Amino acid sequence: QSALTQPASVSGSPGQSITISCTGTRSDVGGYNFVSWYQQHPGKAPKLMIYDVSYRPSGVSNRFSGSKSGNTASLTISGLQAEDEAEYYCSSYASSSSYVFGTGTKVTVL
Amino acid sequence: QVQLQESGPGLVKPSETLSLTCTVSGGSVSGDSYYWTWVRQPPGKGLECIGYISYTGSTNYNPSLKSRVSISADTSKNQFSLRLSSVTAADTAVFFCASLYCTRTSCYVRYWGQGTLVTVSS
Repeated sequence: QSALTQPASVSGSPGQSITISCTGTRSDVGGYNFVSWYQQHPGKAPKLMIYDVSYRPSGVSNRFSGSKSGNTASLTISGLQAEDEAEYYCSSYASSSSYVFGTGTKVTVL
Repeated sequence: QVQLQESGPGLVKPSETLSLTCTVSGGSVSGDSYYWTWVRQPPGKGLECIGYISYTGSTNYNPSLKSRVSISADTSKNQFSLRLSSVTAADTAVFFCASLYCTRTSCYVRYWGQGTLVTVSS
């Protein structure tokens, strides 16, 4: 199982919107609506931000939204805030009942 | 609210077997639709799913680690465990236990442990 591909880094100014892509194959991202996104601050466990492509868990800001087209999923953070600076990982259920993570994207708030 | 707590040695010698246990509270390892998962993260690198054991006891392992990995569960203690054999320095990582919630219509890692650093060194 290969890791899903994410850009290494994305940056934006406070208040701006940024989008992180997550590219897989028909065997994972493209084959199932089971893409989720996690936020990880240094030294902490990942935190679920989006599940099943576009659903937000209770307590997660509505500034975070998810979508998918074909083999690529996306996470958009609108109204960027300093607290959003973190590493973000996508993940997906994959064929052979496996589970795969993305390569990770460092979000920097300028 | 399910809580997960990893435990085990923080230092393992090369060629030996790494063993970690995850204690589950607020939920059951026999609970329907939950897959008890181990994820690792080498220092400064990304997340990698090692594998999981399902609520039925079936297992699924990352092909790159399959020959060295074993995940088991002890329902009487509400714990699940990881064994990784023949470790090398490349296995040094923070190991997270997690609960993967999967049904026919939903699948995501719902809860995470805090993680534990395991260093492979002589």
